Amino acid sequence: DAEITQSPRHKITETGRQVTLACHQTWNHNNMFWYRQDLGHGLRLIHYSYGVQDTNKGEVSDGYSVSRSNTEDLPLTLESAASSQTSVYFCASREGQGPYEQYFGPGTRLTVT
Amino acid sequence: AQTVTQSQPEMSVQEAETVTLSCTYDTSESDYYLFWYKQPPSRQMILVIRQEAYKQQNATENRFSVNFQKAAKSFSLKISDSQLGDAAMYFCASTQGGSEKLVFGKGTKLTVNP
Repeated sequence: DAEITQSPRHKITETGRQVTLACHQTWNHNNMFWYRQDLGHGLRLIHYSYGVQDTNKGEVSDGYSVSRSNTEDLPLTLESAASSQTSVYFCASREGQGPYEQYFGPGTRLTVT
Repeated sequence: AQTVTQSQPEMSVQEAETVTLSCTYDTSESDYYLFWYKQPPSRQMILVIRQEAYKQQNATENRFSVNFQKAAKSFSLKISDSQLGDAAMYFCASTQGGSEKLVFGKGTKLTVNP
């Protein structure tokens, strides 16, 4: 069965370190998304991609970057981790516009100390 | 910017009773799609139900149904015969015109009391 996976599931890092969160999907979807979830804020879009070599900023992109070198993967990099980036991160993919469901990964809980 | 509003941060319901979660959205599009997602304590996001805006008939999935009021831009979720397993965060989402992105509300935490 097709799926979307994230790794690691839990990560503790120190302020200032570079961190990369992996996202891999086997749905063969062109569209992939990264969100962060914080209490009281719901899901906020960080970055998204509509295909290979395409990346776009979302509403909370400062301090984050993504790259898309193939259809299956969209890694999220925190260039210099800050305590404000302590959060749960979700990766998602979607087939296209229209009634298509957005599939989510299981999430990564990141703690920046 | 397109917005989705869930005005109830928390709701509670007795087991076997019915509860309705509210959602309003703001769009200038005539054709769009609406979704309700459930997030149990496991954190996994699960699609509950979807509605095509061009369909007047309200979507139904077993105990879950929606009340879609297009003119009012309202999309509420009704859960009938509530079960303990329905306890979760519920997110309303809307497609964003001409885009593959979804816009999410901030969520409603549902507690089911035995």
